[in-house]
Amino acid sequence: DIQMTQSPASLSASLGETVTIECLASEDIYSNLAWYQQKPGKSPQLLIYYANSLNDGVPSRFSGSGSGTQYSLKINSLQSEDVSIYFCQQNYDSPPTFGGGTKLELK
Amino acid sequence: QVQLKESGPGLMQPSETLSLTCTVSGFSLTSNGVGWVRQPLGKGLVWMGTIWAGGSTNYNSAVQSRLSISRDTSKSQVFLKMNSLQPEDTGTYYCARHISGDLFDYWGQGVMVTVSS
Repeated sequence: DIQMTQSPASLSASLGETVTIECLASEDIYSNLAWYQQKPGKSPQLLIYYANSLNDGVPSRFSGSGSGTQYSLKINSLQSEDVSIYFCQQNYDSPPTFGGGTKLELK
Repeated sequence: QVQLKESGPGLMQPSETLSLTCTVSGFSLTSNGVGWVRQPLGKGLVWMGTIWAGGSTNYNSAVQSRLSISRDTSKSQVFLKMNSLQPEDTGTYYCARHISGDLFDYWGQGVMVTVSS
């Protein structure tokens, strides 16, 4: 199975700040990388797919990038509603596997 | 709109068999797959298995020997059965629409299952 490693495990940032979350795959996943947002007490929601495509309704302050084994999620101008756990997922090979999550809090 | 909702018992004993139901609306089970994803408390997400639009299934090898996923298309329901439960099976179980490209675009609210004697 492809292993997905996220960093950092937790992150504290101020409103208006720009934050970046990293995701490292154990092998090349050819941009088959998705990001999910899980707000407190809620179920995950698909944010980004194929590394940089925003899902419908996702604010433009979210962006994804990367290739090969290294990917990142960037949030510009952090808002209070962005407090969540973020997961990456590879959809290159079965089984689909997720990263351990990054918990984003407000400073 | 697309909705999924899990239901099932919250507390199980070790060695028992877990039965969960996912009731969907807003899409047809014959057009989209539905997968089950588990989240141990405070931990990450693990895909368990999926039943596809044509009725075929795929399972994660980690639970394959204990897991069965089936469906009743007339009732828009997907079923998960997992036997020989252990405390490490404790967590929140989500059903999610599993679309082409191995993405999960809509998720249920989740059901918390605790395995404890």
